[in-house]
Amino acid sequence: EDQVTQSPEALRLQEGESSSLNCSYTVSGLRGLFWYRQDPGKGPEFLFTLYSAGEEKEKERLKATLTKKESFLHITAPKPEDSATYLCAVQGYNFNKFYFGSGTKLNVKP
Amino acid sequence: NAGVTQTPKFRVLKTGQSMTLLCAQDMNHEYMYWYRQDPGMGLRLIHYSVGEGTTAKGEVPDGYNVSRLKKQNFLLGLESAAPSQTSVYFCASRTGNTNEKLFFGSGTQLSVL
Repeated sequence: EDQVTQSPEALRLQEGESSSLNCSYTVSGLRGLFWYRQDPGKGPEFLFTLYSAGEEKEKERLKATLTKKESFLHITAPKPEDSATYLCAVQGYNFNKFYFGSGTKLNVKP
Repeated sequence: NAGVTQTPKFRVLKTGQSMTLLCAQDMNHEYMYWYRQDPGMGLRLIHYSVGEGTTAKGEVPDGYNVSRLKKQNFLLGLESAAPSQTSVYFCASRTGNTNEKLFFGSGTQLSVL
């Protein structure tokens, strides 16, 4: 059964303190691993898609990496505006469906 | 572009009442989805559609029905609401290409008393 587990559930950082969020997955035939950002009261907003192990993508202070079992979202020198919940999702052999993790709630203090 | 629009944004129902949530997208997307989001459980798929006139069950379809009579609209119905259906509901859409990302609406907060 396709499954996604994210850790930690919540993370508090000081501004400028770099860290990583983890997304572990089990999927039959990975077609894509997606990272989304969700602000309170809003829908998830797309950040990255990773397709194969070894792939990396960057956007401003965020960098996503992928192995055969997990993905990391690295946050370098975060700012308070990076505070949000970060969701990970996988798309497997049945490409009609996406399986989401429960998210990591990031709080960056000034 | 409005993207994905959900109505209403908030709703309070009494147990046993019925209601319909509307999702509209203006991106000519083939695929549309309904998810519910509960604390600590992530987004769970209720129903989805791969094109006009088609629907399919997701992980948690019980107590919900859907219809996709027009390509741009995807309706989620609750025939007899239960407190367990208190949740935030999100609609999403994407193109028919395999690896395309989802575009989400802003959600509907539903409370069933």
